[in-house]
Amino acid sequence: GQQVMQIPQYQHVQEGEDFTTYCNSSTTLSNIQWYKQRPGGHPVFLIQLVKSGEVKKQKRLTFQFGEAKKNSSLHITATQTTDVGTYFCAGINQAGTALIFGKGTTLSVSS
Amino acid sequence: DAGVTQSPTHLIKTRGQHVTLRCSPISGHKSVSWYQQVLGQGPQFIFQYYEKEERGRGNFPDRFSARQFPNYSSELNVNALLLGDSALYLCASSFGLDNSPLHFGNGTRLTVT
Repeated sequence: GQQVMQIPQYQHVQEGEDFTTYCNSSTTLSNIQWYKQRPGGHPVFLIQLVKSGEVKKQKRLTFQFGEAKKNSSLHITATQTTDVGTYFCAGINQAGTALIFGKGTTLSVSS
Repeated sequence: DAGVTQSPTHLIKTRGQHVTLRCSPISGHKSVSWYQQVLGQGPQFIFQYYEKEERGRGNFPDRFSARQFPNYSSELNVNALLLGDSALYLCASSFGLDNSPLHFGNGTRLTVT
């Protein structure tokens, strides 16, 4: 079945360092969505990418969708302690009935 | 506007029992999806309901069932509970069946002993 894989599983950085998480799908995606889950919280929608090669920015966060629409990345510039949490990418399954989540990348930031 | 609300927030059950989890979507949202999240993993899709009909089902046994009511709220039922059913159960609503983003509730933490 369709799989969405993320690397790395964990990442620890010093505050002010950059962070990147990568997402790869076994199939072409119609779109990709990114969510953030704070410890003890629930996933919160960050952004959706639809077009091949699309790049979107939200303040210090930069999201990219690959040309083949099978991979994506999230880059955070100059991390802050508020960036702590698990970042999930998710793609719609081929039947169009479900959002399939990766296992997530858990980011920890020390000050 | 209220977000997605789920009840109860926590639940402890014994193996073999059944459980019913409830979810109220954001007002105006017609689609409700259920996810199971085990510690350290991403949410795993269980069901999607739209306009009271099941539109999608994940790889879960028949012990899992759900329904959606005319007011778009939803229930997830799990029978013959197993220890492995212990997880955070997340409900998410979205406006339609398109690729619109999911809005998650705070979840129900189910512990099976």
